[in-house]
Amino acid sequence: QVQLVQSGAEVKKPGSSVKVSCKASGGTFSSYAISWVRQAPGQGLEWMGRIIPILGIANYAQKFQGRVTITADKSTSTAYMELSSLRSEDTAVYYCARDGGVTRTFDYWGQGTLVTVSS
Amino acid sequence: QSALTQPASVSGSPGQSITISCTGTSSDVGGYNYVSWYQQHPGKAPKLMIYEVSNRPSGVSNRFSGSKSGNTASLTISGLQAEDEADYYCSSYTSSSTEFGGGTKLTVL
Repeated sequence: QVQLVQSGAEVKKPGSSVKVSCKASGGTFSSYAISWVRQAPGQGLEWMGRIIPILGIANYAQKFQGRVTITADKSTSTAYMELSSLRSEDTAVYYCARDGGVTRTFDYWGQGTLVTVSS
Repeated sequence: QSALTQPASVSGSPGQSITISCTGTSSDVGGYNYVSWYQQHPGKAPKLMIYEVSNRPSGVSNRFSGSKSGNTASLTISGLQAEDEADYYCSSYTSSSTEFGGGTKLTVL
């Protein structure tokens, strides 16, 4: 059974950066993409970007270009999402999800990581 | 403002059927058969319910079905049950990203 386990909650100051991890188990990590999706309090889902671990290629939603970096370590089956220049509007739950590639089907999700940006 | 438009809320009584719409453009919903639907209970991660417009993952009840006509996709839940009460999101592939709808809160009366 595929499992995605994310790192714990974070509290950050405005202007700082946060790096969230997502460790995969039970599947072939490199065979799929990993996407990152966030959800602000009381709001909907927002796709941030994705990475194809076997290629090491990432692409990002236009809104986050220049502020987000998604990487993957094949040796530990772990994906990372780093968001910089944090502001209060970045307070959200951040999810990683296994991304089925062309179909962009997210069939397995991490448990979510709450990132709070507050001075 | 979400790229895909969903009704903010729908409701139905146990046993009834409801349909949630998801309207996009020819650049997303209308252009590809890569529409998915997710169910999200409060405080939980989303769960895949429908993929590629009308396919159900293993383990998802056959009370859930999906369809598409033009730029609008739909999720139908038949035989409503109390546990169906949740938020539902559609998503669609685009050439450069993945878009989500704003979400629909389903209330089972």
